[in-house]
Amino acid sequence: NAGVTQTPKFQVLKTGQSMTLQCAQDMNHEYMSWYRQDPGMGLRLIHYSVGAGITDQGEVPNGYNVSRSTTEDFPLRLLSAAPSQTSVYFCASSYEARGSPLHFGNGTRLTVT
Amino acid sequence: DAKTTQPNSMESNEEEPVHLPCNHSTISGTDYIHWYRQLPSQGPEYVIHGLTSNVNNRMASLAIAEDRKSSTLILHRATLRDAAVYYCILRIPNAGNMLTFGGGTRLMVKP
Repeated sequence: NAGVTQTPKFQVLKTGQSMTLQCAQDMNHEYMSWYRQDPGMGLRLIHYSVGAGITDQGEVPNGYNVSRSTTEDFPLRLLSAAPSQTSVYFCASSYEARGSPLHFGNGTRLTVT
Repeated sequence: DAKTTQPNSMESNEEEPVHLPCNHSTISGTDYIHWYRQLPSQGPEYVIHGLTSNVNNRMASLAIAEDRKSSTLILHRATLRDAAVYYCILRIPNAGNMLTFGGGTRLMVKP
């Protein structure tokens, strides 16, 4: 089982550029989410989805868009990158969030110059 | 929002038990208590979770206070590979039961 796969592993962007961080899971999980982790900090929830076609905002959604057209994929789009979005991004999935463990990808390290 | 409080760091000697405390005094009656750990340069890894009763698995034990306002993660014999940041977390209300991560406890294991 591949689990949760994130691509790319590393990315450098210039201010104002856009890009999409990819996340795919092969466990048929309904719930998927995106977190960001700034240096020395815990994870903060950006957006989440409780099923295909359903998304909602988390704690820090500004500057990011998501969509969920399939159960497997949950891409995160940066519309116009800013240096404040320099961070490590983690995607996670689970069957149902409250009682089931989250499975995390290995992260995408993004630098915006 | 239900929040958790953990010490910033703890030290342990290799092969000794480690007790990592967590306070969650505003926990609601239906919140599960989750523990994750994060090794350097990796994504968080699930350790254990529970609701009311103490829980055991191959990685650790979770002791939950009777009033559920605190819990303790127990690593029975710390190894160097257990050096990580340990997060005690609850769900985010009104956010699809997603989990909110605080600062965690950095566990250092001395040989």
